[in-house]
Amino acid sequence: DQQVKQNSPSLSVQEGRISILNCDYTNSMFDYFLWYKKYPAEGPTFLISISSIKDKNEDGRFTVFLNKSAKHLSLHIVPSQPGDSAVYFCAARDSNYQLIWGAGTKLIIKP
Amino acid sequence: NAGVMQNPRHLVRRRGQEARLRCSPMKGHSHVYWYRQLPEEGLKFMVYLQKENIIDESGMPKERFSAEFPKEGPSILRIQQVVRGDSAAYFCASSPDRQGGNEKLFFGSGTQLSVL
Repeated sequence: DQQVKQNSPSLSVQEGRISILNCDYTNSMFDYFLWYKKYPAEGPTFLISISSIKDKNEDGRFTVFLNKSAKHLSLHIVPSQPGDSAVYFCAARDSNYQLIWGAGTKLIIKP
Repeated sequence: NAGVMQNPRHLVRRRGQEARLRCSPMKGHSHVYWYRQLPEEGLKFMVYLQKENIIDESGMPKERFSAEFPKEGPSILRIQQVVRGDSAAYFCASSPDRQGGNEKLFFGSGTQLSVL
């Protein structure tokens, strides 16, 4: 039972263009959503988060959008840079304060 | 290095042996979490500990797995009588307060366990 789904295992984007990573969830009780970035042989690092009471949060080149009615969130990176190539995990916090993680999307930025 | 330290980075065990994975949280962090990542899957929560206490072990298999976070020293994840299915990357994370929300998790680089 996957409560958090990242349906695209990988995504390839041209440098300078916008990268859009998607995440869908099933549990309407999730109250906080986070994106983590992971390089090979390293642990995930926090990127950006959004509370369920908001629909947008922006931090520099990174913006997260939340559509509660569709149970969908997305991460926009613009402009995309080579250093953005990594695996991106979406995570959602449940009522027990546990983080439920998606399987990740591998982003490849082409020069 | 003030980050979360995990060791060893790679651990090879034969079926039936014991595996011990260590995690030293960031300085000032008293909350430790262990996650497991199987190939092509996301991180799966295993256990949440504070100093000397297991707070939530709902993600831990009932047998062979145990975790501790003693008053002194690192947190230990122990797997007894390992089987091939235990092969995975095990990540430790720490936070100054309970995870989620504004409290970011800080992850170690993980221990890759391979069971032969």
